Amino acid sequence: GAVVSQHPSWVICKSGTSVKIECRSLDFQATTMFWYRQFPKQSLMLMATSNEGSKATYEQGVEKDKFLINHASLTLSTLTVTSAHPEDSSFYICSASPGQRLYGYTFGSGTRLTVV
Amino acid sequence: SQQGEEDPQALSIQEGENATMNCSYKTSINNLQWYRQNSGRGLVHLILIRSNEREKHSGRLRVTLDTSKKSSSLLITASRAADTASYFCATDASQFYFGTGTSLTVIP
Repeated sequence: GAVVSQHPSWVICKSGTSVKIECRSLDFQATTMFWYRQFPKQSLMLMATSNEGSKATYEQGVEKDKFLINHASLTLSTLTVTSAHPEDSSFYICSASPGQRLYGYTFGSGTRLTVV
Repeated sequence: SQQGEEDPQALSIQEGENATMNCSYKTSINNLQWYRQNSGRGLVHLILIRSNEREKHSGRLRVTLDTSKKSSSLLITASRAADTASYFCATDASQFYFGTGTSLTVIP
């Protein structure tokens, strides 16, 4: 159990366009999901906490208008990178916990975004 | 921030040897978790140790936690080439943060 599906696994887009990444909890409900960004050979950096039915909480330095997060249901959170630039190219990973944070987190397989 | 820091940043060992990675953090935690990431892939949860636990085992993995020193270690025994990956500790307090990771290379 506790599967998180992330889609797409990779995407290439042109500068100026927007890209939507989906994160779904397949067999559990998640009132909270997390979005991370990872640069090559670096750790994961928490970007924002996605809360079902309310606004996301963004970490300091993360532009909320740039990275739009929508958590419309208990099993789906989306991250939209708006007006993408080459510096937005990165690996984005979502996660959620099925057990009130007692049993660790399950991560999606990640989305590699390349902006050309 | 609450971010953990692992050391060493990179570790290269021969197959069959043990690998030890350490993690230090800054504030009180609810639990500490270790994750593995193969190159370019998502993370896999390895083991969770609660703040009131001192040691935990899972197969070839052994995790210790010293809350007085705010540190944890991950020991992989009898390493295999397939253990080659990056390993991250993550602390769960008011937020959830990842450490900087240790890149482990196991040479066949």
